[in-house]
Amino acid sequence: GDSVTQTEGLVTVTEGLPVKLNCTYQTTYLTIAFFWYVQYLNEAPQVLLKSSTDNKRTEHQGFHATLHKSSSSFHLQKSSAQLSDSALYYCALSDRTEGADRLTFGKGTQLIIQP
Amino acid sequence: EAAVTQSPRNKVAVTGGKVTLSCNQTNNHNNMYWYRQDTGHGLRLIHYSYGAGSTEKGDIPDGYKASRPSQENFSLILELATPSQTSVYFCASGGPGQCNTEVFFGKGTRLTVV
Repeated sequence: GDSVTQTEGLVTVTEGLPVKLNCTYQTTYLTIAFFWYVQYLNEAPQVLLKSSTDNKRTEHQGFHATLHKSSSSFHLQKSSAQLSDSALYYCALSDRTEGADRLTFGKGTQLIIQP
Repeated sequence: EAAVTQSPRNKVAVTGGKVTLSCNQTNNHNNMYWYRQDTGHGLRLIHYSYGAGSTEKGDIPDGYKASRPSQENFSLILELATPSQTSVYFCASGGPGQCNTEVFFGKGTRLTVV
């Protein structure tokens, strides 16, 4: 089956400095897409970025990620962290299995932005 | 914005009891999912469905059953609840299209089994 590996645990970044959260994957399927979901405290996860195109940069809310199939990676980056970026971040992979889009998540990375 | 409603939002159950978590979506999505969220494990897929009458096993289906009686509703059933099933459960819906379609989550159900 599919698997997604993220930077584990807690990442603390000082406000204004860059952020990078790593995500790599393993899959046996060809029809795949990738997502970053963000979950703020006491809220539901919501999509931040998505991509299914190799080597194409996708951006939203100041974050960006590029899917690199050659290295099986989809890292999340931001050039300047803001206090409001503090949240739990999930990398996820979607493929078509048994007629449904099956979404597999990594274990999540807790990002804390400190003043 | 897609609407996914879960009920109840909080539940305390006794060991060995039956628990049913309900999920309703009003966006005519084909795909629906049940995940549980635990620290250190992230979101793990329990069951999913691609339409009314279908249910598929996810990565951790043991101890859980699912039911999709209609396009809008998807239930998760714990026939014999155990303390290890204490968790936060999220329902989500998405589709019907290509697998780059995002899914939308409900607000979650906090289940405590004592």
